[in-house]
Amino acid sequence: ETGVTQSPTHLIKTRGQQVTLRCSSQSGHNTVSWYQQALGQGPQFIFQYYREEENGRGNFPPRFSGLQFPNYSSELNVNALELDDSALYLCASSWGTVEAFFGQGTRLTVV
Amino acid sequence: AQKVTQAQTEISVVEKEDVTLDCVYETRDTTYYLFWYKQPPSGELVFLIRRNSFDEQNEISGRYSWNFQKSTSSFNFTITASQVVDSAVYFCALSRDSYGGATNKLIFGTGTLLAVQP
Repeated sequence: ETGVTQSPTHLIKTRGQQVTLRCSSQSGHNTVSWYQQALGQGPQFIFQYYREEENGRGNFPPRFSGLQFPNYSSELNVNALELDDSALYLCASSWGTVEAFFGQGTRLTVV
Repeated sequence: AQKVTQAQTEISVVEKEDVTLDCVYETRDTTYYLFWYKQPPSGELVFLIRRNSFDEQNEISGRYSWNFQKSTSSFNFTITASQVVDSAVYFCALSRDSYGGATNKLIFGTGTLLAVQP
């Protein structure tokens, strides 16, 4: 077990709605990254937070936003959900470039 | 630009066979890190190994071994005497060094689905 916990594990939302996904990082890790994994694809980097500030962003629109809290836990928010947002969302925590440990993921279905 | 290529989409073997998963990467960085992850049907990415660009020593961990060759930009993964429990999707990934605050995001390949038949 990695110590990275994500909630919820599954979620069904309607197109146009908003969703918040949560991640508790492994103890001692100050960096949290979020990835989107569409079916049959490799994970794609959404953004990273380091010490509560965004530290890099992938090719995702602004309706994907995030937060990191003082205890290094994090949220991913997606506004105006689209059908293509249906995917497995993975959170990873790390300390610098030390191996990233992933949570079990949140499977989001947009209908 | 950084890129990881896993040309093998699916591999099927019979239990106890050896199997090698290929990974080829592209990067202009001199310092970088390579990873392998296992993703069982449950979805969680399980860390297997990290290798930095200055360490070309091959590594063995039980039935797993890794061959890193900078000359061919490859980081291949071999499972010896495969077992049904090895069935999963395996991802190779690349990360740049985060020195100076650079984002150490992981660039993943498309994965190789390994099916081990009993």
